[in-house]
Amino acid sequence: KQEVTQIPAALSVPEGENLVLNCSFTDSAIYNLQWFRQDPGKGLTSLLLIQSSQREQTSGRLNASLDKSSGRSTLYIAASQPGDSATYLCAVGPDSWGKLQFGAGTQVVVTP
Amino acid sequence: EPEVTQTPSHQVTQMGQEVILRCVPISNHLYFYWYRQILGQKVEFLVSFYNNEISEKSEIFDDQFSVERPDGSNFTLKIRSTKLEDSAMYFCASSVAGAYEQYFGPGTRLTVT
Repeated sequence: KQEVTQIPAALSVPEGENLVLNCSFTDSAIYNLQWFRQDPGKGLTSLLLIQSSQREQTSGRLNASLDKSSGRSTLYIAASQPGDSATYLCAVGPDSWGKLQFGAGTQVVVTP
Repeated sequence: EPEVTQTPSHQVTQMGQEVILRCVPISNHLYFYWYRQILGQKVEFLVSFYNNEISEKSEIFDDQFSVERPDGSNFTLKIRSTKLEDSAMYFCASSVAGAYEQYFGPGTRLTVT
């Protein structure tokens, strides 16, 4: 059974510091991995999708890597800003039908 | 920019009542999903829907739940007889294909009293 884990559960950094968020999964047979941002009481905003054949994806200050063999993905956010404060979720897609299995998230606070 | 919309934003209902949660997916998307998030817990998959039928469902999605695409734009989740434990935020999502990027709506907060 696939388990998705995000450690740490919470993280506080000063503005300008780079953020490194970790996601691990137990079954390497995944189709894709997607990173989301969730603000309190709000929906999920898609940040990046990495297909299983890819090693990384980049969008602006965000870069996500995927290492299927070790069951890990890392989301890097460069030069963090207070507006980056949110909970970041990773989710793995085990098959082509699209079902996503989520981690519990890392709550990030960026202090001015 | 196209987005997934959901109505209502908040629904309060009494235990045993039927509720219908509504979603309008992004117009050119073909795959539709419902997820839920109980307060303080992980987002959980409920069901995926493609070509007018359920393609996959979780063990949470029992006989009390059903989904429907009544017309070309709406996608609904019905809970026939709500229980206290159905209280959660329900998210609709859509994607252009099965393993492609999923876009989520803002959610419907369901409170069962």
